[in-house]
Amino acid sequence: LAKTTQPISMDSYEGQEVNITCSHNNIATNDYITWYQQFPSQGPRFIIQGYKTKVTNEVASLFIPADRKSSTLSLPRVSLSDTAVYYCLVVLYNQGGKLIFGQGTELSVKP
Amino acid sequence: EAGVVQSPRYKIIEKKQPVAFWCNPISGHNTLYWYLQNLGQGPELLIRYENEEAVDDSQLPKDRFSAERLKGVDSTLKIQPAELGDSAVYLCASSFGGTVDTGELFFGEGSRLTVL
Repeated sequence: LAKTTQPISMDSYEGQEVNITCSHNNIATNDYITWYQQFPSQGPRFIIQGYKTKVTNEVASLFIPADRKSSTLSLPRVSLSDTAVYYCLVVLYNQGGKLIFGQGTELSVKP
Repeated sequence: EAGVVQSPRYKIIEKKQPVAFWCNPISGHNTLYWYLQNLGQGPELLIRYENEEAVDDSQLPKDRFSAERLKGVDSTLKIQPAELGDSAVYLCASSFGGTVDTGELFFGEGSRLTVL
């Protein structure tokens, strides 16, 4: 079962770029990588998903190297409102797209 | 468009009492999920429905937990009897189809259960 490992916490300042790296050494060929964001007292919210190389949307970029054993979520120019927990997940293709959440990275953005 | 609606938002009960949580998914979403989230931890899947069929309930403690989605739309999760360790947030999520293609689940705000 693909397990993800990511830092427990990170600190940043407003305006900085934040990169959160996740390792998923046991990822299977057909699995995808997806990231979610969660604010206190709310359910997680989808940020981005990718399979390989780079994916970008209006919120973030996701970098996945060729071996796909890790991925990096990049948040450009963070603001105080980006303070949240960020989860890296592997979408298990052979289990109907099952999502397994890890402990997540608690990002704290300071002024 | 309305998101995933859950009720109640908060529930406090004494141990051994029953409790039920209700979820109304986004219109048109045929896949529905119940997750449990303990403080400081990521959500853990309890059960996944495709329409009215429970396709993955391997993590549901069936001795005290039950769930139903009779008409393939809204769903109820029940705990009977509740134990102290059941204190957590119960999250409902839905998606159109599975997550294989997009990985995108839409979560409700959750129901926070406190068992005294």
